[in-house]
Amino acid sequence: GAVVSQHPSRVICKSGTSVKIECRSLDFQATTMFWYRQFPKQSLMLMATSNEGSKATYEQGVEKDKFLINHASLTLSTLTVTSAHPEDSSFYICSASLVGGRVEQFFGPGTRLTVL
Amino acid sequence: AQTVTQSQPEMSVQEAETVTLSCTYDTSESDYYLFWYKQPPSRQMILVIRQEAYKQQNATENRFSVNFQKAAKSFSLKISDSQLGDAAMYFCAYRTGAQKLVFGQGTRLTINP
Repeated sequence: GAVVSQHPSRVICKSGTSVKIECRSLDFQATTMFWYRQFPKQSLMLMATSNEGSKATYEQGVEKDKFLINHASLTLSTLTVTSAHPEDSSFYICSASLVGGRVEQFFGPGTRLTVL
Repeated sequence: AQTVTQSQPEMSVQEAETVTLSCTYDTSESDYYLFWYKQPPSRQMILVIRQEAYKQQNATENRFSVNFQKAAKSFSLKISDSQLGDAAMYFCAYRTGAQKLVFGQGTRLTINP
């Protein structure tokens, strides 16, 4: 149980285009979903927290207009990287926490974004 | 703000031996949760073990156990009988009151056959 999926697993795009990454909780409802960014050989950095039906809360230094987050349902959150540039290339990971449940977060497998 | 520090960028251990990974954290909260996550080459984050701060008893999950020293703000992970499949990046994480996870820098663990 508590499986989180991400789609796509890899994406390559041209500079200036937008890319959407989906995060789904497959067998549970998630009150809150989180988006992280991980640079090579580094730790996970929280980008934003999203709650179903409300606006995402972004961490300091994260551009909300660059990284659009939508949490349309209790099982789906999307991250859209708008007007992507090579410096946006990274590994993006989502996680989800259960409705009224356990304190740990369950992580998706990640999405590798490469911007040419 | 809470911070988590892992002072060992890399560790190695012989197969079947025991290894301890260090983690310290800083917080002004009295009630919180601590976690160890494992990230193998696939990069899928896997929960290894968790500890509630209000519990004095150290958490144990099979070959994995922690040494939680609340006053010292220390949370180390001990892996007994190390196996080749334990090779991975290990991240210590602190869960804030707002449910956010703050991660340490990670420790790369190598298992030598």
